[in-house]
Amino acid sequence: EDQVTQSPEALRLQEGESSSLNCSYTVSGLRGLFWYRQDPGKGPEFLFTLYSAGEEKEKERLKATLTKKESFLHITAPKPEDSATYLCAGRTGSGNQFYFGTGTSLTVIP
Amino acid sequence: DGGITQSPKYLFRKEGQNVTLSCEQNLNHDAMYWYRQDPGQGLRLIYYSQIVNDFQKGDIAEGYSVSREKKESFPLTVTSAQKNPTAFYLCASTTGTGRNEKLFFGSGTQLSVL
Repeated sequence: EDQVTQSPEALRLQEGESSSLNCSYTVSGLRGLFWYRQDPGKGPEFLFTLYSAGEEKEKERLKATLTKKESFLHITAPKPEDSATYLCAGRTGSGNQFYFGTGTSLTVIP
Repeated sequence: DGGITQSPKYLFRKEGQNVTLSCEQNLNHDAMYWYRQDPGQGLRLIYYSQIVNDFQKGDIAEGYSVSREKKESFPLTVTSAQKNPTAFYLCASTTGTGRNEKLFFGSGTQLSVL
């Protein structure tokens, strides 16, 4: 069964305290691992797509990495404006479907 | 600017009523999707369409219907058969091909039952 699991469900960090979010996946013929940021009451905002184990992508304080079983979203020296829910999704190799995790709610305290 | 427009932002449904959520995109994308988001749950797929006049059921299609008469438009109807429709509904689209694929989302419609 295709599945994506995110941990932790919620994370509270002090401003400047770096950490990582985890996304474990079992998606047949994975054709892309996607990361999104979602603010309350808004649609998810695209961050990254990763395709191959070992691939890394960066954007400001965020860096996403991918292995054969999981992906990590590393947040370096976070700021309060990084507070949001972060979603990951795996795209199947067939059927054109995306499977989403339940998200990690990140709160960065000043 | 290109993007996905969902309307209305808030919608209220009376018991026994069908309501339709609008989704329009000007990105020239082939594939479009409807997801339902409930608190504490991941996005769940309702329907998706890869080309005009064709669509497939997702994991939770019961009580919903869609049409894809134009490439730009993919409206979702929540029928009276959907007994628990209160949720945040998200429309998305993608080119569906290539290593630079991105799944773009609209701003969502919050549906509540009166």
